[in-house]
Amino acid sequence: EAGVTQFPSHSVIEKGQTVTLRCDPISGHDNLYWYRRVMGKEIKFLLHFVKESKQDESGMPNNRFLAERTGGTYSTLKVQPAELEDSGVYFCASSSPGTGSYNEQFFGPGTRLTVL
Amino acid sequence: AQSVTQLGSHVSVSEGALVLLRCNYSSSVPPYLFWYVQYPNQGLQLLLKYTSAATLVKGINGFEAEFKKSETSFHLTKPSAHMSDAAEYFCAVSADTGRRALTFGSGTRLQVQP
Repeated sequence: EAGVTQFPSHSVIEKGQTVTLRCDPISGHDNLYWYRRVMGKEIKFLLHFVKESKQDESGMPNNRFLAERTGGTYSTLKVQPAELEDSGVYFCASSSPGTGSYNEQFFGPGTRLTVL
Repeated sequence: AQSVTQLGSHVSVSEGALVLLRCNYSSSVPPYLFWYVQYPNQGLQLLLKYTSAATLVKGINGFEAEFKKSETSFHLTKPSAHMSDAAEYFCAVSADTGRRALTFGSGTRLQVQP
């Protein structure tokens, strides 16, 4: 079974440019999460999709960030325009559907974004 | 609201020595607690989780953690370190309130000396 994949693995852009990150969750996983780790700090939650709907987007830092999950499969996270403080590693995770007991979140390898 | 504190951003042990990575949490509801490990150039991998069953939780690669409610702690231990344990370790908390987001600590990088 393929794990969570993310593309690209690295991205270097200049301040003011646009970048789009992609996440492909494990097949059949309805839950998809985005997290971010800024250099040396803790990993912080950005948002949670259930299928194509945004269940919780309380962690999105500002309106320069736009996440989509059309069709409930892969997700994209667009940063427009990028600022220096957006640099960090962006992780995607997915978990199987269902309520009740906790469902493990499986993480992708992350996309390292550098804004110059 | 929830938070996690990991004491020690870097821990160094000798091969064969005890590994102890500390995690304290704060949660307004009964928590779910996790330890994740990140090896270089890889994603986070779940080591173990506490979900209100046994307070002593055994995970992969010989790691275990004990949930101590009175101390609000969930420290990770391994009796004998191996070189392959060198990685970054993250403690995380979640609440089964419908909001499944994980709240992470800042991570502890474990070095294993030969």
